[in-house]
Amino acid sequence: DAGVTQSPTHLIKTRGQQVTLRCSPKSGHDTVSWYQQALGQGPQFIFQYYEEEERQRGNFPDRFSGHQFPNYSSELNVNALLLGDSALYLCASTRGRPNTGELFFGEGSRLTVL
Amino acid sequence: AQSVSQHNHHVILSEAASLELGCNYSYGGTVNLFWYVQYPGQHLQLLLKYFSGDPLVKGIKGFEAEFIKSKFSFNLRKPSVQWSDTAEYFCAVNLPGGGADGLTFGKGTHLIIQP
Repeated sequence: DAGVTQSPTHLIKTRGQQVTLRCSPKSGHDTVSWYQQALGQGPQFIFQYYEEEERQRGNFPDRFSGHQFPNYSSELNVNALLLGDSALYLCASTRGRPNTGELFFGEGSRLTVL
Repeated sequence: AQSVSQHNHHVILSEAASLELGCNYSYGGTVNLFWYVQYPGQHLQLLLKYFSGDPLVKGIKGFEAEFIKSKFSFNLRKPSVQWSDTAEYFCAVNLPGGGADGLTFGKGTHLIIQP
């Protein structure tokens, strides 16, 4: 049973560019959340998708957007990249109804902005 | 908005020593509390959680945590650590009704167990 898978694992972009990160949730899960983890910090909640809609959002600018597809997979898009966007981006999945309170995380996509 | 503080960023212990990692949160209402762990080279995984009921919660691998509402604390404990407990430990909180959704994490504690 595959867990949460993310791609790509590493990528390098330059300031001003745009990036798309992808996530496939654990089998049986329908809710996907995205987190940003800067070096030496804990993960910060970006947003959550359920039934193809953004349900909750953390304190991130509109440059961060997402999408969820009918097969529950998800994308995170970041526009107009800044140096400060360099971080590990984590995807986590869970089952929306009922929610056990346990998030399953992927290994992350490490983004470096030069 | 809620926040989480983890007091120790780096902890080094010898095998068989007892462990206590501090976690405090700031929110006046009811919260759900979690400890997540990240072993070297692995993804974050849930260690234990508290939603309601008995404030002493037992998790995997012999870990436990105690919720003390009056102190806004949820400290993680283990009576005797092993070398395999070397990992990064994160305390997290969210609000009831959201399950694990929209977690607020602390900065983490890097635990090193020396053989």
